[in-house]
Amino acid sequence: GAVVSQHPSWVICKSGTSVKIECRSLDFQATTMFWYRQFPKQSLMLMATSNEGSKATYEQGVEKDKFLINHASLTLSTLTVTSAHPEDSSFYICSASIRGVGYTFGSGTRLTVV
Amino acid sequence: SQELEQSPQSLIVQEGKNLTINCTSSKTLYGLYWYKQKYGEGLIFLMMLQKGGEEKSHEKITAKLDEKKQQSSLHITASQPSHAGIYLCGAALGGSNYKLTFGKGTLLTVNP
Repeated sequence: GAVVSQHPSWVICKSGTSVKIECRSLDFQATTMFWYRQFPKQSLMLMATSNEGSKATYEQGVEKDKFLINHASLTLSTLTVTSAHPEDSSFYICSASIRGVGYTFGSGTRLTVV
Repeated sequence: SQELEQSPQSLIVQEGKNLTINCTSSKTLYGLYWYKQKYGEGLIFLMMLQKGGEEKSHEKITAKLDEKKQQSSLHITASQPSHAGIYLCGAALGGSNYKLTFGKGTLLTVNP
């Protein structure tokens, strides 16, 4: 149980275009979803916390207009990288917290901007 | 400064050897999580520790939580090549179900 399905697993896009990454909770309701980014040989850095039905809370230094987060339902949170540039190329991964259980992670999305 | 200090940053061991990875927090720990990852792939959950003094084992991996020292250790006994990967500790520093903060990770290489 407690599975988060993340899609796509990898995506290549042209510079200047936008990319949407989806995370769906398959068998539970995720009121809170966390979005992380990981650069090569580095750890996971939290980008933002999304709460169903409200605006996301972004970490310091993360551009909210560039990384649009939508959490319109209890089972779906999306991260849209707008006007992507090569420096946005990274591994993006979502996570949901489950009270009393812990955290479950999506399988991640490798974004390459060319 | 880093809220979760993980050491060592990298480790190379011979197959069959034991090893320990440490994770020290600068803040009160409300839960400490250990994950394994191969870069570019998802996280594999290993252990969750919530109480001071708690110790959990799974196969050849044991994790302990020293709440007073705000520290956790992950010990692998008789390491195998399959243990190779990046080990990450994560902690909910603001309370349970709070956002997870991660250490920088330990890259483990096990030579056959």
